Amino acid sequence: AQSVTQPDIHITVSEGASLELRCNYSYGATPYLFWYVQSPGQGLQLLLKYFSGDTLVQGIKGFEAEFKRSQSSFNLRKPSVHWSDAAEYFCAVGANGNQFYFGTGTSLTVIP
Amino acid sequence: KAGVTQTPRYLIKTRGQQVTLSCSPISGHRSVSWYQQTPGQGLQFLFEYFSETQRNKGNFPGRFSGRQFSNSRSEMNVSTLELGDSALYLCASRGLAGADTQYFGPGTRLTVL
Repeated sequence: AQSVTQPDIHITVSEGASLELRCNYSYGATPYLFWYVQSPGQGLQLLLKYFSGDTLVQGIKGFEAEFKRSQSSFNLRKPSVHWSDAAEYFCAVGANGNQFYFGTGTSLTVIP
Repeated sequence: KAGVTQTPRYLIKTRGQQVTLSCSPISGHRSVSWYQQTPGQGLQFLFEYFSETQRNKGNFPGRFSGRQFSNSRSEMNVSTLELGDSALYLCASRGLAGADTQYFGPGTRLTVL
């Protein structure tokens, strides 16, 4: 069965520090992979997506993610975190063309 | 293009009542999915509609139902509300069947008293 795991429930980083949020998936075929960000009380905003091709994808707000098939991972990174990046981050997998599976989310706190 | 819109944004109901939530997808999008988000359960898939037909359904009781109109707008109905139905209900739209990206609305915050 398809599943998405975000091992870190909560992460705290200092402003200006680098960030990596982990995502592992379980899916038999090549998945479609997404990262979304959610501010409190808001909907989910798409940060970036991977369908095929270059395994390093660039997104909005300075985020990037790398697809590693051998590790079934799609980790999100940012070289320098800003206070406005504090939010909840969700990794998602699109499977069978029509179904989407979300991780449980990672809450990011940024310390000034 | 305008984004996904959801109305109302906030709703307070009492147990036993019913509620209808509305979602207008991005223009040209034919697929609308609904999710329930709670702190304890995360994002849970309710159902997806495509061209007025329910294409996928999550594991929710029959009290949760939906429909889609010919203009792709969708409504979700919850009957006989329970306290546990308090949640943020998110709607997402996407264009084509198959590989595509979901775009989310701001959500409707439902509180059941």
